[in-house]
Amino acid sequence: DGGITQSPKYLFRKEGQNVTLSCEQNLNHDAMYWYRQDPGQGLRLIYYSQIVNDFQKGDIAEGYSVSREKKESFPLTVTSAQKNPTAFYLCASNPSGRAYNEQFFGPGTRLTVL
Amino acid sequence: AQSVTQPDIHITVSEGASLELRCNYSYGATPYLFWYVQSPGQGLQLLLKYFSGDTLVQGIKGFEAEFKRSQSSFNLRKPSVHWSDAAEYFCAVGNNAGNMLTFGGGTRLMVKP
Repeated sequence: DGGITQSPKYLFRKEGQNVTLSCEQNLNHDAMYWYRQDPGQGLRLIYYSQIVNDFQKGDIAEGYSVSREKKESFPLTVTSAQKNPTAFYLCASNPSGRAYNEQFFGPGTRLTVL
Repeated sequence: AQSVTQPDIHITVSEGASLELRCNYSYGATPYLFWYVQSPGQGLQLLLKYFSGDTLVQGIKGFEAEFKRSQSSFNLRKPSVHWSDAAEYFCAVGNNAGNMLTFGGGTRLMVKP
């Protein structure tokens, strides 16, 4: 089955710790995205990558970092610099990175900072 | 900069009633427009999209949306709602410079039996 997997589904971390969220796709899509979702605010773009070894900041990149060493993988690290990291995180991919293509979404990871 | 407004945060309709969810966008050129649906704790699924041509687009699950350039709107409609339609709905606009979607804040739909 082709698709996007995110792990873990639920993640708890203590304040001051870095944590990495996994996103893998087997759709052979060029572009991948990370969004943060908070109640009533829709989805906000954190980072995106259109090709391997290249990525750009989205609207709310502060306190986050990413890497794109392989086409199928786009992990997101939430650093201790992120002031309010508790949220639902969604990964998506797009065949070509063009806006006219549909974005396909993973099931999400809910991060809670204790 | 592009933006999307969904004026209704919550909507409740009775099962079998018609539904219209509002979406207004701001974008300088002809936009790419999308409606996605999200069940609780899940990812998003595409319902339909508009790029050009016929301004009335059909999607999955019996949904349709109409692009009205003069009103900068892309409202989602369904003639008869089913209990399984209860979810959160997001409108999004894509820029034709390439790469990004901007999402509205979402509308949560509840369906009364």
